[in-house]
Amino acid sequence: DSGVTQTPKHLITATGQRVTLRCSPRSGDLSVYWYQQSLDQGLQFLIQYYNGEERAKGNILERFSAQQFPDLHSELNLSSLELGDSALYFCASSVGDRGRNEQYFGPGTRLTVT
Amino acid sequence: AQKVTQAQTEISVVEKEDVTLDCVYETRDTTYYLFWYKQPPSGELVFLIRRNSFDEQNEISGRYSWNFQKSTSSFNFTITASQVVDSAVYFCALSEALGTGNQFYFGTGTSLTVIP
Repeated sequence: DSGVTQTPKHLITATGQRVTLRCSPRSGDLSVYWYQQSLDQGLQFLIQYYNGEERAKGNILERFSAQQFPDLHSELNLSSLELGDSALYFCASSVGDRGRNEQYFGPGTRLTVT
Repeated sequence: AQKVTQAQTEISVVEKEDVTLDCVYETRDTTYYLFWYKQPPSGELVFLIRRNSFDEQNEISGRYSWNFQKSTSSFNFTITASQVVDSAVYFCALSEALGTGNQFYFGTGTSLTVIP
C-alpha cells in the first residue's frame, strides 16, 4: 500500500458528460501528479501540483482541469468526455516538487466512457 | 521522438534465469533523474529505484541490479534468479525540470513473464 488513495475505483459514464476524480496524497507529501494510462498512449503525464500551486503541465487536454486544495487532496475534472478518454487515471505524490523525489502511485481510477 | 525507449515489449524467462530489461533515454538537461517502476497485475505502480544524472554507480538490491551508463544514455535493469512474483510490467522513467516543477516521461513498458 503506497499510502496514496484514489476514488472512485471505477467510473462508467457517457460521452459528453463530466466527471471528477479524487486523490489524497501520502501523509507529508506536498506534490501531486496526474497521469493517464491507455493502451495506445502508454503512461502520459498530465499535470503536477505542489502545495496548492500548479507547477508543471504535460499532455493535458483543455477539456481537463485539476486543482489541489489546502488539505492537499487533488481533483482531476474531465469534461465533454469522449470515447478516447477511456483509460486508467493515476495519481502520484511525492515529498518535494523536484524530479529527485520518487513518486508513489495510487491504485488508479478506471474510467470507461460509453 | 521518444524520450524513454524500452525496446523490449515482452520477455518470457523460465524461473531462476537472469533477465535484463533495457532502457534508453534522451535528454538535453545536465541534471535529470531516472527511475524504474514495477506494475504487477494488480495495477498499482511500485517505485523500485531512482538515479540522478551525476551518480553513475551501479546499484544492487537483493536480486535486482541497475546499470547506468551516461555514455550510452542507458539505464538497464537486471533481475537475477527470476521468480514467478517478478512477473509484471516494468517501466523506466525520466524526470526533467519543467517550469517550476518537473515532468516525468515513461517508457512504454516491458512485460515480463516468469514461467515456473
